[in-house]
This record gives sequence, C-alpha cells and structure tokens, in this order.
Amino acid sequence: DGGITQSPKYLFRKEGQNVTLSCEQNLNHDAMYWYRQDPGQGLRLIYYSQIVNDFQKGDIAEGYSVSREKKESFPLTVTSAQKNPTAFYLCASSISSGRRQETQYFGPGTRLLVL
Amino acid sequence: AQKITQTQPGMFVQEKEAVTLDCTYDTSDQSYGLFWYKQPSSGEMIFLIYQGSYDEQNATEGRYSLNFQKARKSANLVISASQLGDSAMYFCAMRDVNAGGTSYGKLTFGQGTILTVHP
Repeated sequence: DGGITQSPKYLFRKEGQNVTLSCEQNLNHDAMYWYRQDPGQGLRLIYYSQIVNDFQKGDIAEGYSVSREKKESFPLTVTSAQKNPTAFYLCASSISSGRRQETQYFGPGTRLLVL
Repeated sequence: AQKITQTQPGMFVQEKEAVTLDCTYDTSDQSYGLFWYKQPSSGEMIFLIYQGSYDEQNATEGRYSLNFQKARKSANLVISASQLGDSAMYFCAMRDVNAGGTSYGKLTFGQGTILTVHP
C-alpha cells in the first residue's frame, strides 16, 4: 500500500536535546512538507522540499532543520534552539508543487512532548 | 498575505441531516486552490475535496460538496446525510500558486471547526 509513514508516534525531548522526526513516503512524490499544529489551531508550514537535495524555509523554520537526501525521506530535526517544541507534527507530500490543484497527502503525525 | 477564516469553532448536527461548514478566504491572487481536510481524533489529515479558482462548477465528492462563491470569497463545505463517523475537526485550506514568482505549494489553513454528529 502506498502512503506516508511517520515515526515515532510519540516523542519526548529533554531540555537542550535535539530530536529527529522521521517521514517516509512511497508515493513517488517529488514534494514533501513539514507542518506544526498547536492545540486547537490550524497547521503552519515549517519546511518544504520540491526535489531531492533542495529545501526551503516555511513560516516558522527557526529552531528546526531538515534534509532531503532521498526522494522518499524528509526527516525533521527539532533543535535545542526551538524553545517551545511541544506540538503535533505532520508530514505531507504531493506529486510536485507546481500546480494549484495538487493535493497534499498527510502522514499520521508525531506528538512531541518536552520533559 | 493569504488568510483563511473559519468562524464556527463548533457545530452540531443530527445524524442523517445536512450541515454546512463556513470558510472565507482572502487573497490578492487570481489563481488559487481551495481544499477541505478532515482531522479525526487520531490526528491524521484526510483530504476531502478540492475547488480551483477558475472552476465554474462547484466541486462534489460523494456526500461532500463545496459551495464556492468567488465574489464573496467563500468556500463552504456541505456534508449531506451526516454519519456518526463524520464527527471530527474540519479544516479549510488555500494554496497559492504564485508566491514571489515561485510556486511552492504552501497551504494556508484556517483554525478549524469541530463537528459533532448526534445519533
């Protein structure tokens, strides 16, 4: 079955620690995205990647980093510089990002909690 | 800047009845796409329906239809024959094709509406 997987489902971070959230897709999509969702809120874009070895900052990139070494994978690292990391993180992908009708499909999400 | 407004924090509907979830948007662009997603308590975002700014007909997908009024900048979701499984958070989102001359597919989301279906 094609889809997007995210791991872990729950992640706990200690103060000053970097943590990495995994996102893998087997949909053969070129574009991938990371969103953050705070309780009772909509999603906000952290980073996006249109193609392998290329990525761009979204609206709230500070304190986060990404890499896109493979088409299938787009891991997100929450660094110690992110002072309020507790949130629900959603990864998405789309065929490419060039057309307005392209649908983004989402993974199941990772809940990050700070200890 | 783009903005999506969902003015209904919560909505209630009786099973088998229809319900309309409101969405208004603000953009200076002529070309854009509008999406509705469903988020059940599990957290995953499920794509429901899409409407393009140049589409002349309202989009429909099964029990979901989109009441698109371009002049009013509204894109309301209509769910017909509500089911208990429709209880979830619903998000309206907009995609801007051109951002600084570069298309990158960012979705701007509204705050969401929690729909509760009563038996």
